[in-house]
Amino acid sequence: DAKTTQPTSMDCAEGRAANLPCNHSTISGNEYVYWYRQIHSQGPQYIIHGLKNNETNEMASLIITEDRKSSTLILPHATLRDTAVYYCIVRVSSNSGGSNYKLTFGKGTLLTVNP
Amino acid sequence: GAVVSQHPSRVICKSGTSVKIECRSLDFQATTMFWYRQFPKQSLMLMATSNEGSKATYEQGVEKDKFLINHASLTLSTLTVTSAHPEDSSFYICSARDFGREKGYNEQFFGPGTRLTVL
Repeated sequence: DAKTTQPTSMDCAEGRAANLPCNHSTISGNEYVYWYRQIHSQGPQYIIHGLKNNETNEMASLIITEDRKSSTLILPHATLRDTAVYYCIVRVSSNSGGSNYKLTFGKGTLLTVNP
Repeated sequence: GAVVSQHPSRVICKSGTSVKIECRSLDFQATTMFWYRQFPKQSLMLMATSNEGSKATYEQGVEKDKFLINHASLTLSTLTVTSAHPEDSSFYICSARDFGREKGYNEQFFGPGTRLTVL
């Protein structure tokens, strides 16, 4: 998997948008950008993923730059329950076959939402 | 999304004993399951990939004889930590892939984790 670079930690005020950046300058053309988060002492939770177009779901929005070398996860209205470690991962789609579909976790970004 | 359960959620055992952790996909069939380990303040580290009906594939540095993985059905994989020692104390998390999903859909779901403490 291509490596990703994320800030170690970020703070955000409750109710404001949280913008979490991720650099993945060596991403390959067939690799997707996935975002997961892990609340303390729980298993990771899927948030969103995308290939080249911006994506939005009920949890967040994913903005991918045109050259696909970086992306930003946006939580539009952060709440205290969004405090977690957020992981940005790039990998091929599982339908591509082969053994390179494993999710490899980096250190992520600890997002702390403050009241 | 699909649900993955783990049992037990927490276990404390004496050094030298073996501990079995179960991972179940509750509403989908998982031909592939993954086992991760997470030490305090560290990220998840993949231990092994488990395929139903075949031997697990272990990551480099993971002892296959110590961490026994069985994936006998499409909804159950087990991880047995044999002769556990205090350094095996960790948070063990399983993940399951759902091949029934459409292409491009999120297809890997995580369990809630099992906290193992070896005294």
